[in-house]
Amino acid sequence: DTEVTQTPKHLVMGMTNKKSLKCEQHMGHRAMYWYKQKAKKPPELMFVYSYEKLSINESVPSRFSPECPNSSLLNLHLHALQPEDSALYLCASSQDYYEQYFGPGTRLTVT
Amino acid sequence: SQQGEEDPQALSIQEGENATMNCSYKTSINNLQWYRQNSGRGLVHLILIRSNEREKHSGRLRVTLDTSKKSSSLLITASRAADTASYFCATDLPNDYKLSFGAGTTVTVRA
Repeated sequence: DTEVTQTPKHLVMGMTNKKSLKCEQHMGHRAMYWYKQKAKKPPELMFVYSYEKLSINESVPSRFSPECPNSSLLNLHLHALQPEDSALYLCASSQDYYEQYFGPGTRLTVT
Repeated sequence: SQQGEEDPQALSIQEGENATMNCSYKTSINNLQWYRQNSGRGLVHLILIRSNEREKHSGRLRVTLDTSKKSSSLLITASRAADTASYFCATDLPNDYKLSFGAGTTVTVRA
């Protein structure tokens, strides 16, 4: 299984809501990533988990809270987001920290 | 941060023609990769070339790397409608597990 899955595919939330994005991989990869991508821009790294521990936080606002419950799962908890946080959120995994396998993304709209 | 710059920003070609896009970067790298992204979807890894390699092939893809000029090119031969996508180069630095993506080239293949 060489697939990274993400749920939900689309999410609309208000600025006072709390929601979570989920990501799953069954390739046994040791690193998992969250990226944010705005339209017509490249992905921007948010967080990296290595062996289930947070290893990189790219100065992401605290309204985004990552969690890695086990080696296959990665969550991104969202709270009090702003309209400018609307974007495509991509999850990726990697065994060697170089070649990354991406999920299809969650299209987030904050109203 | 975005290390790579790609040109052209957009490319429109006829089916069957070749497509060439270029990526330039600023600092010495460990590896350079190319990814494809279909509209609004996740990225798909195409090819990785190491800093000590000069050329690599994969199917209809040919990648070159010139470390003296800090540049790479991606050639897609005999293009198909399914090649319509955005293409991103991504570099990683020695002892750094983060990928830095270029701005991307949007390729449209006309039938």
